[in-house]
Amino acid sequence: NAGVMQNPRHLVRRRGQEARLRCSPMKGHSHVYWYRQLPEEGLKFMVYLQKENIIDESGMPKERFSAEFPKEGPSILRIQQVVRGDSAAYFCASSPRREQETQYFGPGTRLLVL
Amino acid sequence: AQTVTQSQPEMSVQEAETVTLSCTYDTSESDYYLFWYKQPPSRQMILVIRQEAYKQQNATENRFSVNFQKAAKSFSLKISDSQLGDAAMYFCAYRRNSGYALNFGKGTSLLVTP
Repeated sequence: NAGVMQNPRHLVRRRGQEARLRCSPMKGHSHVYWYRQLPEEGLKFMVYLQKENIIDESGMPKERFSAEFPKEGPSILRIQQVVRGDSAAYFCASSPRREQETQYFGPGTRLLVL
Repeated sequence: AQTVTQSQPEMSVQEAETVTLSCTYDTSESDYYLFWYKQPPSRQMILVIRQEAYKQQNATENRFSVNFQKAAKSFSLKISDSQLGDAAMYFCAYRRNSGYALNFGKGTSLLVTP
């Protein structure tokens, strides 16, 4: 059973460009969570999605950030008009159900904004 | 809001010795989950151990065990017979039973010396 897949593993963008981060959950998992890790910090929750639904986006900046988890295909975290402060590691996790389930993490995408 | 505190930014242990990493948390909930995740240099987040708050028995996974003190809101991780491969950042995390977002501490960097 393949683990959580994220791509790209590394992404370099110039200020003002768009960044698209993709996450394929583990087989059988329908819940996806995105976290951001700034340098020297722990992970911070951004958004929780189920298929075609955003359940909680309270941890996501109100502007420039959006997330989706379509019926078919991976979950996408999209950052428009990136700024240097967006440079971080973005982790995706998945679980089969919400309650009492461990979240399994992908390898992360390291975003560097020049 | 729940907060997780890891008061040891760095720890060092010799191979084959035992080390304990500390974690305290603040919550008004009675039912929750606690986790230890390991982040090696590859930056992948790997689940080490999980504890349900309603269970009095401390969780154990091979060389890893926890000392869960619910009244003191303390959740320390003990690594026995340390190995070079244990060198990593270790993050303590909390999640409400009715919630889904993991709240992480800032991490403890563990160095294992030969």
